[in-house]
Amino acid sequence: AQSVTQPDIHITVSEGASLELRCNYSYGATPYLFWYVQSPGQGLQLLLKYFSGDTLVQGIKGFEAEFKRSQSSFNLRKPSVHWSDAAEYFCAVGALSSSARQLTFGSGTQLTVLP
Amino acid sequence: EAGVTQFPSHSVIEKGQTVTLRCDPISGHDNLYWYRRVMGKEIKFLLHFVKESKQDESGMPNNRFLAERTGGTYSTLKVQPAELEDSGVYFCASSQSPGTYTDTQYFGPGTRLTVL
Repeated sequence: AQSVTQPDIHITVSEGASLELRCNYSYGATPYLFWYVQSPGQGLQLLLKYFSGDTLVQGIKGFEAEFKRSQSSFNLRKPSVHWSDAAEYFCAVGALSSSARQLTFGSGTQLTVLP
Repeated sequence: EAGVTQFPSHSVIEKGQTVTLRCDPISGHDNLYWYRRVMGKEIKFLLHFVKESKQDESGMPNNRFLAERTGGTYSTLKVQPAELEDSGVYFCASSQSPGTYTDTQYFGPGTRLTVL
């Protein structure tokens, strides 16, 4: 069965500092990976996704993520955090099957940004 | 283009009562998914519709939960009778193409259900 681990429940960074959110997955084949963000009162918004090809994926809002098969990781990064990035971030893995399309999520990382 | 909408945004009910949650997917999206996040834990899959048919309901916790998607448009998720452990945030998502399993799922804002 597939699973996703986000080891950091809560991270605090200062505005302007760099950010890396960790994500490790367990999946029997090539995974289909996502990062979503949830701001207060909002739905889950897709930041970026990896299906195949270039292992460094660019997303919205200046985020990027790198797929590392050898480490089973898909960490999210941003070089300079803005106060508006404060939110909860979810890593997810998708099943590559037409009959099983659900996403499996990690438990989320809450990001606090200090002024 | 309107996103996925969910109603109500919050619901507080007593144990044993019935609650119905509604999801309106993005227009033209054949796939509709329900997920649930309980007690700050991970978001978990409940079920997947393709048009009006249940494609996968492996995540439904028990028979107190009934999901429908009549006409292949909006969907409802009914909990009857509600139990304390049903409290959480219920998310709905939709995606476009049933033949492409890499399509993106777009999520609604969720319904926060509290069972007292």
